[in-house]
Amino acid sequence: QKEVEQDPGPLSVPEGAIVSLNCTYSNSAFQYFMWYRQYSRKGPELLMYTYSSGNKEDGRFTAQVDKSSKYISLFIRDSQPSDSATYLCAMSAFTGNQFYFGTGTSLTVIP
Amino acid sequence: DTEVTQTPKHLVMGMTNKKSLKCEQHMGHRAMYWYKQKAKKPPELMFVYSYEKLSINESVPSRFSPECPNSSLLNLHLHALQPEDSALYLCASSQPARRQGIEQFFGPGTRLTVL
Repeated sequence: QKEVEQDPGPLSVPEGAIVSLNCTYSNSAFQYFMWYRQYSRKGPELLMYTYSSGNKEDGRFTAQVDKSSKYISLFIRDSQPSDSATYLCAMSAFTGNQFYFGTGTSLTVIP
Repeated sequence: DTEVTQTPKHLVMGMTNKKSLKCEQHMGHRAMYWYKQKAKKPPELMFVYSYEKLSINESVPSRFSPECPNSSLLNLHLHALQPEDSALYLCASSQPARRQGIEQFFGPGTRLTVL
């Protein structure tokens, strides 16, 4: 079983839709949960990270962590064509410890 | 300046060539990383430098040779590569960590093709 599972998509939504991106994991030691956005032919860009359980909001983006279910989500409100990218989740047990990336979900927002 | 720059953007090389990839950051980060990313796959960690010293080598073949000349620069020297080494090579930097810092800043990558 992989440490981190992420549905690769592709996911296609109309502009203005709410997008939900998800990852599941098996290692209960994970404490840090990151979301990266990667545009085609570019490097990943850290969107946000959370520590332990709970929600974190930044503009149109909300990250949620449910450690009891080993499930994390990234919600994008009022999605825009510029949000079209691959979204990677990543996790780590301790700060400075090994990262485990998901395989990424490809998102297209149609104008 | 929150940018990590990488040169060249694209590189095509033969299996007998020697080439180098370059990465630069001016954020004062003392940890720098090389990753390899194949199409539709997540980045795979290759090397970590912490305070200009190699701290992690993820069993990378010796045809890849990293170098950290100073705290702002990271090079990856390539020699006798194989076609399966074709990939996007990403550089990243962060504050120092035991292994991988949480807030890593990635460069745009060098797309390498080995013929």
